[in-house]
Amino acid sequence: GAGVSQSPSNKVTEKGKDVELRCDPISGHTALYWYRQSLGQGLEFLIYFQGNSAPDKSGLPSDRFSAERTGGSVSTLTIQRTQQEDSAVYLCASSPSWGTGQPQHFGDGTRLSIL
Amino acid sequence: DQQVKQNSPSLSVQEGRISILNCDYTNSMFDYFLWYKKYPAEGPTFLISISSIKDKNEDGRFTVFLNKSAKHLSLHIVPSQPGDSAVYFCAAKGRGGSEKLVFGKGTKLTVNP
Repeated sequence: GAGVSQSPSNKVTEKGKDVELRCDPISGHTALYWYRQSLGQGLEFLIYFQGNSAPDKSGLPSDRFSAERTGGSVSTLTIQRTQQEDSAVYLCASSPSWGTGQPQHFGDGTRLSIL
Repeated sequence: DQQVKQNSPSLSVQEGRISILNCDYTNSMFDYFLWYKKYPAEGPTFLISISSIKDKNEDGRFTVFLNKSAKHLSLHIVPSQPGDSAVYFCAAKGRGGSEKLVFGKGTKLTVNP
């Protein structure tokens, strides 16, 4: 597709379960980013990838959060042993490159609700 | 600590008038600023950006102004249209190092017909 694709669009799960969120960036975009937006808040940075490596993981809130990117394309964000405070919209973005002021283009997000 | 602040949670203007959205930042290492627009249940859409070496950038109805000494930027929309009604986020990127964007909490703009 033409834009960043995220799946699922909505996810409801019970506390303590693991979840996997998927991001398919714009074709040819080498940089990929994960953010989350909690209710009433701005977007909070989680992690970004240059190709398959992650130079900055500083935004991951705990070791329950991990992400990987394979083949320089699709990325998955995994949350283990989910907690209610993990409820948020998780947004993925991509850009053609990094370090040149290229704007990041966002997907529509995955709305995660932890019961 | 909130490095990017949008102090007005909401703004209401009449169609055809100017909308001015404001953003303040505290980190002098930011060198690139962006505005995004977000409709409900959609991801943010890039609107316009400005490098710290400039003080103004214009694209159609949208103009961003940067005042580095005051650590302040603003987005002007002229003329405002009902379709501009959305939440607007200001974002900033630091010089060197990480490519992460730091976002404000957003301002909800309502343009009344």
